[in-house]
Amino acid sequence: AQSVTQLDSQVPVFEEAPVELRCNYSSSVSVYLFWYVQYPNQGLQLLLKYLSGSTLVKGINGFEAEFNKSQTSFHLRKPSVHISDTAEYFCAVKSGNTPLVFGKGTRLSVIA
Amino acid sequence: SAVISQKPSRDICQRGTSLTIQCQVDSQVTMMFWYRQQPGQSLTLIATANQGSEATYESGFVIDKFPISRPNLTFSTLTVSNMSPEDSSIYLCSARAGELNEQFFGPGTRLTVL
Repeated sequence: AQSVTQLDSQVPVFEEAPVELRCNYSSSVSVYLFWYVQYPNQGLQLLLKYLSGSTLVKGINGFEAEFNKSQTSFHLRKPSVHISDTAEYFCAVKSGNTPLVFGKGTRLSVIA
Repeated sequence: SAVISQKPSRDICQRGTSLTIQCQVDSQVTMMFWYRQQPGQSLTLIATANQGSEATYESGFVIDKFPISRPNLTFSTLTVSNMSPEDSSIYLCSARAGELNEQFFGPGTRLTVL
């Protein structure tokens, strides 16, 4: 079965600084990778996804992620964060027709 | 894409009672899923619900505790039976839709069991 490891449970960062949220997945023949964001007391929103093609994926709100097959990673990055980016971020993986499997989440706190 | 709504959005229940959560999708979908998100935790898949067949439960979840119905291609219910405080969680409905089989999520039902 697929699994996802988010290495950091909490990431504090100052406003306008860059941020990287790390995600590693268990290897499979072919995987689809996702990042979701959950703002306080709200539902899940898809940030970006990798299905195939270019390994650098751009998403909403200025976020991007890079699929690295050799390192089985899909780290999320943003060059300059805003206070409004404070939220919980979940990495998720699926292969074939399986349902999404989620990591434990990383709480990003942006400090003014 | 798919827009998913859930009812109720939140509820406070007494232990020993049961609550049925409804999930409505604005388009016909084959696969629907129910997840649980315990306080401060990630999402854990409870079961997959396909129309016309029994739900498939993940390890640690059983039909007697979490019966699921899937009467048609746009609707599903999850019942949390004989509740205890440990069942206090957010329950999320999800469906796979669109050309890319993307998985969409409802807003969740926040359940508190006293």
